[in-house]
Amino acid sequence: GAVVSQHPSRVICKSGTSVKIECRSLDFQATTMFWYRQFPKQSLMLMATSNEGSKATYEQGVEKDKFLINHASLTLSTLTVTSAHPEDSSFYICSADTSGTGYNEQFFGPGTRLTVL
Amino acid sequence: AQKVTQAQTEISVVEKEDVTLDCVYETRDTTYYLFWYKQPPSGELVFLIRRNSFDEQNEISGRYSWNFQKSTSSFNFTITASQVVDSAVYFCALSLVNDYKLSFGAGTTVTVRA
Repeated sequence: GAVVSQHPSRVICKSGTSVKIECRSLDFQATTMFWYRQFPKQSLMLMATSNEGSKATYEQGVEKDKFLINHASLTLSTLTVTSAHPEDSSFYICSADTSGTGYNEQFFGPGTRLTVL
Repeated sequence: AQKVTQAQTEISVVEKEDVTLDCVYETRDTTYYLFWYKQPPSGELVFLIRRNSFDEQNEISGRYSWNFQKSTSSFNFTITASQVVDSAVYFCALSLVNDYKLSFGAGTTVTVRA
């Protein structure tokens, strides 16, 4: 099956610093990747759709200048949380669209737990 | 806009009991996909099933079964003879056919006690 990895799996940072999270499709090419955020005991909320070679599409209420997304290749999308604050502490999950591979479904990465002190 | 409702916040059962998770959805589109995912304590989402809106057949996979009823916009999930390893948060989700953005329900936490 299709495999999606995320790095790092866990990160703790000081308030005001920036954190980059990588999402990679390991055995397939993904023209579209998605970034979700999940606060404790809550559901997953879509933050943005990341398209290879073009600007990301952000959901309403998500600050594009704070959550920078770069989808530079067909196997890598990055999410940078700029000037992180404690309220940004959350579980960030990416997924990749496999519609071009024959699987026709969305595979999720293992998630990145961000803690901002 | 799409909406998925999982009215049950938490369910607790004793091992070997059956447990049914409810999922009700709303969409104006006639073609869509419905999903169930499992999220164990580790956090990683595990794909369980995808159902196309055209296919109303119920499905069984081992101890898991799904009941899709378009007339009531429901896609319920039953775990038969539950086991402790089934303890997790279960999410129902919906996406449109040509748009893989997923709208998730709030999730149902299932606790299976030995």
